[in-house]
Amino acid sequence: AQSVTQPDIHITVSEGASLELRCNYSYGATPYLFWYVQSPGQGLQLLLKYFSGDTLVQGIKGFEAEFKRSQSSFNLRKPSVHWSDAAEYFCAVGTGGSYIPTFGRGTSLIVHP
Amino acid sequence: DVKVTQSSRYLVKRTGEKVFLECVQDMDHENMFWYRQDPGLGLRLIYFSYDVKMKEKGDIPEGYSVSREKKERFSLILESASTNQTSMYLCASSLNSGRYNEQFFGPGTRLTVL
Repeated sequence: AQSVTQPDIHITVSEGASLELRCNYSYGATPYLFWYVQSPGQGLQLLLKYFSGDTLVQGIKGFEAEFKRSQSSFNLRKPSVHWSDAAEYFCAVGTGGSYIPTFGRGTSLIVHP
Repeated sequence: DVKVTQSSRYLVKRTGEKVFLECVQDMDHENMFWYRQDPGLGLRLIYFSYDVKMKEKGDIPEGYSVSREKKERFSLILESASTNQTSMYLCASSLNSGRYNEQFFGPGTRLTVL
């Protein structure tokens, strides 16, 4: 069975600084990979997804993520963080054999002015 | 614009009450899911449904049941609410097209059981 690890429970950055949120997965074949964002009191919104092809994926709100098969990672990046990016971020992995993704436990992003 | 709606954003119930949480999607998706979200535990799957009247248990089905009488609607039922069911409940849906598809989430229902 697949698993997802988000090693950082909380990340604090200053507004305007760059951001990288880590995600590692465990799965034997090529997975389907997702990043979701959850603003306070809201549901989850899809930021970006990787199914195949180019390993650098662009998403909404200026986010991107890079799939690195050799490291089993799918880290989320943003070059300059805005105060409105403060939220909970979830990495998820899906496999071809099931339509039920496995979610990481989330990383809470705090943005200082 | 795709949409998943949940009947209540906030709900307060008493111990022992029967609680219904409703979820409706307008995307003609086959798959629907109910998750529970608690701090530090992420999202845990309660039940899912891949077709009308079909349901399967997720990771934490105890104390919950579900109903799917129409394709667009998926209900979560707490037969006798308990304080340890105080949580955020998220509904999601996805397309079943023979390949993997992302989930679309509703805004969530924050349930408090007193």
